[in-house]
Amino acid sequence: DQQVKQNSPSLSVQEGRISILNCDYTNSMFDYFLWYKKYPAEGPTFLISISSIKDKNEDGRFTVFLNKSAKHLSLHIVPSQPGDSAVYFCAAREIQGAQKLVFGQGTRLTINP
Amino acid sequence: DADVTQTPRNRITKTGKRIMLECSQTKGHDRMYWYRQDPGLGLRLIYYSFDVKDINKGEISDGYSVSRQAQAKFSLSLESAIPNQTALYFCATRDRGPDGYTFGSGTRLTVV
Repeated sequence: DQQVKQNSPSLSVQEGRISILNCDYTNSMFDYFLWYKKYPAEGPTFLISISSIKDKNEDGRFTVFLNKSAKHLSLHIVPSQPGDSAVYFCAAREIQGAQKLVFGQGTRLTINP
Repeated sequence: DADVTQTPRNRITKTGKRIMLECSQTKGHDRMYWYRQDPGLGLRLIYYSFDVKDINKGEISDGYSVSRQAQAKFSLSLESAIPNQTALYFCATRDRGPDGYTFGSGTRLTVV
């Protein structure tokens, strides 16, 4: 059963506009949520994270919002740039034990000029 | 040089063959992981290790084995490859912080 879900396989956004990527989770036993970006032929790279005790974290053009009651997080990219075109993975870190990361399925973001 | 190096980058092998994927890191991290990526399924954890001689199963360990020969090396083996093990495989290391994962560039494995 998928504990972390990204229900949109793809998203297309005009350059300069806002990109919003969504992620839902079903397990409350996560203490951090992270977003990774992946280009073709490369491994995922860390983008931004948020602690479960916060509801917003911002880093330049990237902001992550966490709604714990809805078990939902989102990544906002504004303004979107062509170099943002990539696959974005949402991940959640388990509180207990090995603190493993559980990943969503990924969303392919395409920024159109 | 990359912090996390995976070899080979691409491999085609036949059903039933044994194959080993190698991972080495220069980060000095204790924790190492093997993930598998399939379209529509994201990254799923195969095995992980917190130290030399420490081996733990992930969610999809069947059909795989690993060896942590040294702090810097973590290899993944498919004892008898089957076509549904065709996937992109990633090695990762991690320090103790929540966002300290570093991934290798991946190995694309095709089993025919």
